[in-house]
Amino acid sequence: SQTIHQWPATLVQPVGSPLSLECTVEGTSNPNLYWYRQAAGRGLQLLFYSVGIGQISSEVPQNLSASRPQDRQFILSSKKLLLSDSGFYLCAWKQGYGYTFGSGTRLTVV
Amino acid sequence: KNQVEQSPQSLIILEGKNCTLQCNYTVSPFSNLRWYKQDTGRGPVSLTIMTFSENTKSNGRYTATLDADTKQSSLHITASQLSDSASYICVVSSINTDKLIFGTGTRLQVFP
Repeated sequence: SQTIHQWPATLVQPVGSPLSLECTVEGTSNPNLYWYRQAAGRGLQLLFYSVGIGQISSEVPQNLSASRPQDRQFILSSKKLLLSDSGFYLCAWKQGYGYTFGSGTRLTVV
Repeated sequence: KNQVEQSPQSLIILEGKNCTLQCNYTVSPFSNLRWYKQDTGRGPVSLTIMTFSENTKSNGRYTATLDADTKQSSLHITASQLSDSASYICVVSSINTDKLIFGTGTRLQVFP
C-alpha cells in the first residue's frame, strides 16, 4: 500500500539551531514530493517541490532548504532557525490528480 | 490572481444537523477542485475531487458540488457527528501549473 511518513510530529528548537525534517513515501516510485507550511489561520503555502532525485524547486525565498537524496525521501532543512520559521510543516506526494499529505510536524522556534 | 476564498471562516452546529460550506475561486484555467478535512494537528485528508465536467460528488455524508461557470463549490455535510469537527479546506489547481491553491479553510465545530 502507498503511505507517507513524516517525523518528528512535534519539535521545539531554539533560535539559531539547525533543523532537519524527514519525509518518506512507500509503495510508489518516482513520486512528485512537496513541502508545505501552514501558519495559524492561514492557508497552506508551498515551500519546495521535487520531481526526482536531486531536483528541487523553491517557491518562496526563505531560510529553509530542501534535498532529495533518494527517490522516496524528501528532507527539509535549515542551518539556523528563525522565530518566523515556527509553523506546521506538511509533506505531500502526488499521484495523478491525488495528493496525499503526511501527518505534519509542529515546529516551535523559541 | 489565482485565489480561493472560503466561507464562513468558522461555524458551530449541533450534532445531527446539516451544514454547507462555501468556496469561491478565481483560478483559471481551471483543472480540478478538492475538498480536504484537516483535524487539528494532523495533515489534510482528501474528501472529494472534481474536474470541470463534474458538478456533484459524494463521499458518505459529504456531498460536494461544483459550478464551473460561476466558479463556486460547496461542501454539504449531512447529519453531522462530533467527529466532523475539523477544518475543511478547498483546494483548486490550474491546468497550466502543477501547483495547488489553498483556501484558508472553514473551522467547523459540532457540539452535542
